[in-house]
Amino acid sequence: GENVEQHPSTLSVQEGDSAVIKCTYSDSASNYFPWYKQELGKGPQLIIDIRSNVGEKKDQRIAVTLNKTAKHFSLHITETQPEDSAVYFCAASSNGKSTFGDGTTLTVKP
Amino acid sequence: GAGVSQSPSNKVTEKGKDVELRCDPISGHTALYWYRQSLGQGLEFLIYFQGNSAPDKSGLPSDRFSAERTGGSVSTLTIQRTQQEDSAVYLCASSLEGRGSETQYFGPGTRLLVL
Repeated sequence: GENVEQHPSTLSVQEGDSAVIKCTYSDSASNYFPWYKQELGKGPQLIIDIRSNVGEKKDQRIAVTLNKTAKHFSLHITETQPEDSAVYFCAASSNGKSTFGDGTTLTVKP
Repeated sequence: GAGVSQSPSNKVTEKGKDVELRCDPISGHTALYWYRQSLGQGLEFLIYFQGNSAPDKSGLPSDRFSAERTGGSVSTLTIQRTQQEDSAVYLCASSLEGRGSETQYFGPGTRLLVL
């Protein structure tokens, strides 16, 4: 089955700096790669996603890149703000099933 | 419309008791998913429904766990003879059609504590 690895497990940045989280996956059949943000006591919420026919996608301060050949994808957050502090999960999906990474706890220091 | 809702939000039970967790998906969503999230861990896939049928039950950790979905809407996850290691947050998600490239919308979860 699919295996998703996510790094780093924790990330601390200064407000205004950029944050990068990386994930690798094993199943070449995976064709959908969402990123979720989970705040304390809440369920994960989608922040951005990318499909396998696209290499990069950007939405304001958030961008995601995908390298299908290397089977890795990354989340980039620019101009970080304290409210970006949360746990971020990547996922790789195919045939209706999503496999999630173990999460990255991002702390943005004011 | 309303998002995915789950009940109860918190459940404390004694070891050996049975518990039922409920999920109300977004209206019109065909696919429904159950995940388990242990403290500080990622999401562990449990089961996936397409309509009322479950094409993938591969994530259920033991035969103490079962789930059903009726009317293509509400789903219940039942844990029989609960054990302390069952303590976790149980998350439910739904998506429109259940195809691979679809956004899953998550509920707030049920926090289960087995004493």
